[in-house]
Amino acid sequence: GAGVSQSPSNKVTEKGKDVELRCDPISGHTALYWYRQRLGQGLEFLIYFQGNSAPDKSGLPSDRFSAERTGESVSTLTIQRTQQEDSAVYLCASSLWQGNGYTFGSGTRLTVV
Amino acid sequence: AQSVTQLDSHVSVSEGTPVLLRCNYSSSYSPSLFWYVQHPNKGLQLLLKYTSAATLVKGINGFEAEFKKSETSFHLTKPSAHMSDAAEYFCVVSDAGNNRKLIWGLGTSLAVNP
Repeated sequence: GAGVSQSPSNKVTEKGKDVELRCDPISGHTALYWYRQRLGQGLEFLIYFQGNSAPDKSGLPSDRFSAERTGESVSTLTIQRTQQEDSAVYLCASSLWQGNGYTFGSGTRLTVV
Repeated sequence: AQSVTQLDSHVSVSEGTPVLLRCNYSSSYSPSLFWYVQHPNKGLQLLLKYTSAATLVKGINGFEAEFKKSETSFHLTKPSAHMSDAAEYFCVVSDAGNNRKLIWGLGTSLAVNP
């Protein structure tokens, strides 16, 4: 597609359940970021993928969070045993190369009840 | 260590008047700097970027920003605000020596009054 696609756009889940968020980057974009944006706050870096290099996972807040990306294609962010503080908008962005400026998806709004 | 500070959390202007959104950064190396805009219930959009070329950068929708190394600033301006400019604006810095993590400001909410 022409842009970065994220699904689902909204997700409501019960506390303790696992959720999987999906990001389809722009074709050919080697760099992919996941961010979290809590209500009224700035963007919080989660994880970064660059081509086939080992991902930078330093932003993941706990071991309940994990992300995968196969090559330069789709990425999934998984949150296990969700907690209420996980409620946020999760944004994915991709770029042709790092530092070029990123195209963001519309995000997945996660609500943990 | 890199950091970015957006000096105003909220800015309110009247339609047709100038806009100034302030951003200061700190970086150990020559930084790349960006401004993003987020309209309500929409995704983030790149307004403009500075990557060590011309210090005055022109972006979309009439916005521009000037990189001032001596002041470590990258303020966003527009000569005349439009109602559609009401949104959240984010200043972002990435270190030329380590472009992997973009450091985001907390955002400035711009209100445009009729």
